[in-house]
Amino acid sequence: AQSVTQLDSQVPVFEEAPVELRCNYSSSVSVYLFWYVQYPNQGLQLLLKYLSGSTLVKGINGFEAEFNKSQTSFHLRKPSVHISDTAEYFCAVSDLSGGSNYKLTFGKGTLLTVNP
Amino acid sequence: DAGVIQSPRHEVTEMGQEVTLRCKPISGHNSLFWYRQTMMRGLELLIYFNNNVPIDDSGMPEDRFSAKMPNASFSTLKIQPSEPRDSAVYFCASSFAAGANVLTFGAGSRLTVL
Repeated sequence: AQSVTQLDSQVPVFEEAPVELRCNYSSSVSVYLFWYVQYPNQGLQLLLKYLSGSTLVKGINGFEAEFNKSQTSFHLRKPSVHISDTAEYFCAVSDLSGGSNYKLTFGKGTLLTVNP
Repeated sequence: DAGVIQSPRHEVTEMGQEVTLRCKPISGHNSLFWYRQTMMRGLELLIYFNNNVPIDDSGMPEDRFSAKMPNASFSTLKIQPSEPRDSAVYFCASSFAAGANVLTFGAGSRLTVL
C-alpha cells in the first residue's frame, strides 16, 4: 500500500527566504507524484506533478520539486518566498499497479507561513 | 469553465438529520471523486466514479454514507443519519482521465453536525 509522509507539519519562514517542504513516499511500484496547495477556505490546486522523464519538475508560482527514486522523496522548493505563498501544501502519490492509478494518497500537509 | 461547483459551502445540522452535498464537475471530465478532510485523518478518498459508474467506494465510512452520480454533470453525497463525527470538509474533485490523476477540486462543503 502506498503512503506519504510530510516530515514537517509547520514551516515558518521570512519573506524572500528559500524554503524546502519535505515529502517521502512509500510504494513498491512506479508512481506518479504531485504537490497541491490549499489557500484558506479554498479547495486544493495543483502546483506541479511528476509523471516521468526529468526528475526536476517546475510548477506554478516559482515552485519546483525533485523526484529522487533511491530516497523515495519528492521535496518541494522555492528560492524566494512571498507573503502570498502562505498556505497548506500537500504531497500526494498515485501508484501505477493493479488498475488503482486513480487513487491519490495525500500526506497530512505542511503549513507554510511566510512572515514579513 | 467555472470549475468544480459544490453546494452548500457551509452546512450546520443536528445529529440525526439527513445531509445532502452536491457537486457539479467540470464539463468533459469523466472521473469524479469525493474526499473528506479532517484534522485527525487528513484527506481521505470516499468514493470514485468513472463515466458515472462507482468504481471504488471502499473509503465510504459506513452505510450511513451514500453517493450517486445520475449523469455526467451532477453528483450527490448523502449522510443519513448524520453524527457529530461526520463533521469535516467534504471535497468533490473531477479529472479528465482515470490515469495520471490531475484533479481539479471544488471549494469544499464544510459540514458541522451538532
